[in-house]
Amino acid sequence: EVQLVQSGGGSEQPGRSLRLSCSASGFRFGDHAMSWVRQAPGKGPEWVGFIGSKAFGGTTEYAASVRGRFNISRDDSKSIAYLQMNSLKTEDTAVYYCARGRERWLQFSSQLDYWGQGALVTVSS
Amino acid sequence: DIQMTQSPSSVSASVGDRVTITCRASQGINTWLAWYQQKPGKVPKLLIYAASSLQSGVPSRFSGSGVGTNFTLTISSLQPEDFATYYCQQAKSFPVTFGPGTKVDIK
Repeated sequence: EVQLVQSGGGSEQPGRSLRLSCSASGFRFGDHAMSWVRQAPGKGPEWVGFIGSKAFGGTTEYAASVRGRFNISRDDSKSIAYLQMNSLKTEDTAVYYCARGRERWLQFSSQLDYWGQGALVTVSS
Repeated sequence: DIQMTQSPSSVSASVGDRVTITCRASQGINTWLAWYQQKPGKVPKLLIYAASSLQSGVPSRFSGSGVGTNFTLTISSLQPEDFATYYCQQAKSFPVTFGPGTKVDIK
């Protein structure tokens, strides 16, 4: 069974940092691209960023709103994806989801078939 | 960036109704479109990928169509568990973008 289990999150002050983890099981983690998506209270999903599989160079892409502040990485030996969030802003407050790119054969696979349970990040002074 | 719009923003329907939701992309995305269902407090669920392919385990009353800039999600016979918000998402290019959502509620 495919599972994505998230950890991390919580409350932090503006300007500080948080790291989210996404632990995968039930599939060959290294074969799949992973994305992070967030959802502010009462709003629709907003794509945060992407990391490709190592077969395609492990490239990363970011939304303009987080580029330069957030960093996505992966440890295929542990089947974990990470979202490092620096210089947090109040507008980063949201539930953050990790999600799996559906197609193993696609470099920029961004149709998301399995999602983590979500982690609430609250940024407030 | 590719902008995604959806219509209607909300629809009231009864069990057994046929419901159609439209999604438009600001530029052509071929069939790089997914549809998700989200219930309050729950994780988004992939329903349709590649514009018209049914994700495994999703009931066949859901169907998708379209290519280029115009897409539709159809629920052929609305069931009680289908009351939710539906989002389209383009996966043609970065940044990935979602539509604003269509809420399907009980008439």
